[in-house]
Amino acid sequence: GAVVSQHPSWVICKSGTSVKIECRSLDFQATTMFWYRQFPKQSLMLMATSNEGSKATYEQGVEKDKFLINHASLTLSTLTVTSAHPEDSSFYICSARGGQPGLAGLSYNEQFFGPGTRLTVL
Amino acid sequence: AQSVTQLGSHVSVSEGALVLLRCNYSSSVPPYLFWYVQYPNQGLQLLLKYTSAATLVKGINGFEAEFKKSETSFHLTKPSAHMSDAAEYFCAVRVGSGGYQKVTFGTGTKLQVIP
Repeated sequence: GAVVSQHPSWVICKSGTSVKIECRSLDFQATTMFWYRQFPKQSLMLMATSNEGSKATYEQGVEKDKFLINHASLTLSTLTVTSAHPEDSSFYICSARGGQPGLAGLSYNEQFFGPGTRLTVL
Repeated sequence: AQSVTQLGSHVSVSEGALVLLRCNYSSSVPPYLFWYVQYPNQGLQLLLKYTSAATLVKGINGFEAEFKKSETSFHLTKPSAHMSDAAEYFCAVRVGSGGYQKVTFGTGTKLQVIP
């Protein structure tokens, strides 16, 4: 249980284009989804937190108009990198949290991570 | 603000030797602490977590960690390293709960296992 998938696993795009990354919780309903980015040889940095039915909360320094987050349903969140530039190249990882204590045996607070999406902007 | 510091960005051990990865935390409240493992080009896998139930926490793959409040430490250990343990390890601390939580990660320690 508690499987989170991301699509695509890798993407290469030209500078100026937009890229959409999907994050899905496959076997549980995710009340909250989190988006992280990881630069090479660095740690994960939280970009934004998305609670279903609410607008995403962005961390300081993250441009909300550049990184559009849509928590479309309890099993899907999307991150769109608009007008991507080479400096946006990174590894993007999502995580999902189950909403109900004890739901399917999941911890109320535990985040389950997706496998990540490698974005390369040329 | 809560934070974690991982000492040593790279650790090398021989196969069969003890693995010790260090993590110190800073927290104004009792912390929730985690260790995650990341294999190349993959997401994170939870190894173990401390949630105040017991100071010695056992995780998957033979790893364990001990919460020491006096030392503000949560070091990760494994008695005997295996080649498959080669990966990057992240210590993390969680603030808040539910939909208003934030997990802060350490800078990571890359573990190399020498045959």
